[in-house]
Amino acid sequence: KQEVTQIPAALSVPEGENLVLNCSFTDSAIYNLQWFRQDPGKGLTSLLLIQSSQREQTSGRLNASLDKSSGRSTLYIAASQPGDSATYLCAVTSVQGAQKLVFGQGTRLTINP
Amino acid sequence: GAVVSQHPSRVICKSGTSVKIECRSLDFQATTMFWYRQFPKQSLMLMATSNEGSKATYEQGVEKDKFLINHASLTLSTLTVTSAHPEDSSFYICSAKASAFGELFFGEGSRLTVL
Repeated sequence: KQEVTQIPAALSVPEGENLVLNCSFTDSAIYNLQWFRQDPGKGLTSLLLIQSSQREQTSGRLNASLDKSSGRSTLYIAASQPGDSATYLCAVTSVQGAQKLVFGQGTRLTINP
Repeated sequence: GAVVSQHPSRVICKSGTSVKIECRSLDFQATTMFWYRQFPKQSLMLMATSNEGSKATYEQGVEKDKFLINHASLTLSTLTVTSAHPEDSSFYICSAKASAFGELFFGEGSRLTVL
């Protein structure tokens, strides 16, 4: 059974810092990995999708990497801003998962002005 | 990115009534839609997978007679919480994808409060 873990559970940093969020998964047989952002009381916004054949994806100040063999992904946020404050979730689609995403518990990020 | 619309965003109802939540893919045809439930400060729990024109597949522990899912078209799926009780109060989120292993897009969520 696929399990996804995100570390840390919460992170608070000053504005302007670069930061890394971590995601690990137990079954490396995945189709893809997706990073999402969730603001309080809202749905999820897709940030980056990495297919299993890819090593990384970039969008603006965000860069996500994937090391499928070791079951790890990182989300790098450059020059953080207060507007980046949210909960960040990673999720994987497993080969055995019948298209279902398995989510991590999320990292609650706070950027202090 | 693609847009998934969920309605209503908030609903308050009395215990024993039924509530319907709609999930629409606005600019793509969704072969598969998913319904999730999220408790405060917790991650998303998948309730069921909905494929257009066929019966939904429910996750273990989810009562299919209580949470009725209908995926009548490629752009609309509905979740009906029947005979709602206070313990059904939660944040319900739908998601949709255009292809089997493509990107997943989420609705804004619906907060249900049962009095």
